[in-house]
Amino acid sequence: SQQGEEDPQALSIQEGENATMNCSYKTSINNLQWYRQNSGRGLVHLILIRSNEREKHSGRLRVTLDTSKKSSSLLITASRAADTASYFCATMGNDMRFGAGTRLTVKP
Amino acid sequence: DAGVIQSPRHEVTEMGQEVTLRCKPISGHDYLFWYRQTMMRGLELLIYFNNNVPIDDSGMPEDRFSAKMPNASFSTLKIQPSEPRDSAVYFCASSLAEGQPQHFGDGTRLSIL
Repeated sequence: SQQGEEDPQALSIQEGENATMNCSYKTSINNLQWYRQNSGRGLVHLILIRSNEREKHSGRLRVTLDTSKKSSSLLITASRAADTASYFCATMGNDMRFGAGTRLTVKP
Repeated sequence: DAGVIQSPRHEVTEMGQEVTLRCKPISGHDYLFWYRQTMMRGLELLIYFNNNVPIDDSGMPEDRFSAKMPNASFSTLKIQPSEPRDSAVYFCASSLAEGQPQHFGDGTRLSIL
């Protein structure tokens, strides 16, 4: 099965709420990355967390990594309509894989 | 700085025709990747290059697919002959080093009739 599985597959929230997306993976990694994809566009890198890091912040983004559970989460705080997009996790190690993505809709 | 540039943005062609997709990576990036994205299969890595040399082409679906990187600033993905099931969005991406963030182009939306 595919490395880097996100859940939920789709998430709909109101502007101002927080959005949490999760990613699980199977093999060992060097780092894990999160990307955003707006409709009709290419993926855009958001944040990278190394395997020896547990948490990382960038603006309204907070990423956690639990290597014992082989999972990561992406939290977007105070969401905006412009955050509407698909979000993908990507694992980098011996293997390189993108997950199936979470489709986030933020309603104004 | 210019990002990754792909051409064409859209391609519609008939089954059996040859299709050539083009990519210009970011200058100075040593790695170049080709992906295919569909609703059914998500984002699939087809092949990637390091310093113009193909490293892993295990994702290339069939012999009908081929990719080349004749120099550091240009790569092509060719499908010959094309089939309707090849319809997808094809992305090119580049990165400075292995495992580092990838910069994606805006893709080529390919429709095979």
